[in-house]
Amino acid sequence: GESVGLHLPTLSVQEGDNSIINCAYSNSASDYFIWYKQESGKGPQFIIDIRSNMDKRQGQRVTVLLNKTVKHLSLQIAATQPGDSAVYFCAERRRPNDYKLSFGAGTTVTVRA
Amino acid sequence: DTEVTQTPKHLVMGMTNKKSLKCEQHMGHRAMYWYKQKAKKPPELMFVYSYEKLSINESVPSRFSPECPNSSLLNLHLHALQPEDSALYLCASSQEGGYDGYTFGSGTRLTVV
Repeated sequence: GESVGLHLPTLSVQEGDNSIINCAYSNSASDYFIWYKQESGKGPQFIIDIRSNMDKRQGQRVTVLLNKTVKHLSLQIAATQPGDSAVYFCAERRRPNDYKLSFGAGTTVTVRA
Repeated sequence: DTEVTQTPKHLVMGMTNKKSLKCEQHMGHRAMYWYKQKAKKPPELMFVYSYEKLSINESVPSRFSPECPNSSLLNLHLHALQPEDSALYLCASSQEGGYDGYTFGSGTRLTVV
């Protein structure tokens, strides 16, 4: 079964508010995590990644937090915009140098105007 | 060039047809992947090629036959598919064992009739 999963299948956010999308993983040996955004009819688009030796990483309007103690990953989107409406997947690489990414179930984010 | 290009974007085929999906990348990535994604589900790994050799086959039925003619190209040959094989087929590439993310193409939307 999957070791990566999201707490909520859907998230509705008011435009301009901050969004937090959560993901739990079960493999303590996982060394690399990626957040993807997938819009309807498109492939997953890389948003941000983080290695297991880090706790936090920031990009443009996005922040990823990694809590290895509780095996929890989150994606924060600042000032959410209508274009942020999509399905968000967390993905985990369970072993260093492994090829396989294991994806969580995904969270559908809907931005309300 | 930072893209993975997939053709065709859409494909409708009968159960007795033979067709091929194509994928191309020019990022110098030495690992290439085929994923299958059903509606409202996360991508599922099918095959991995590393340095043009098949590295992982996730117990995929033989009616799906991958091929890696060179380091930039990846094909997926389809024969005698079933309607339940209808899905979005995604190609991805990455540096082997690296931490630079996995780049996905936009996918081929396959419908088997």
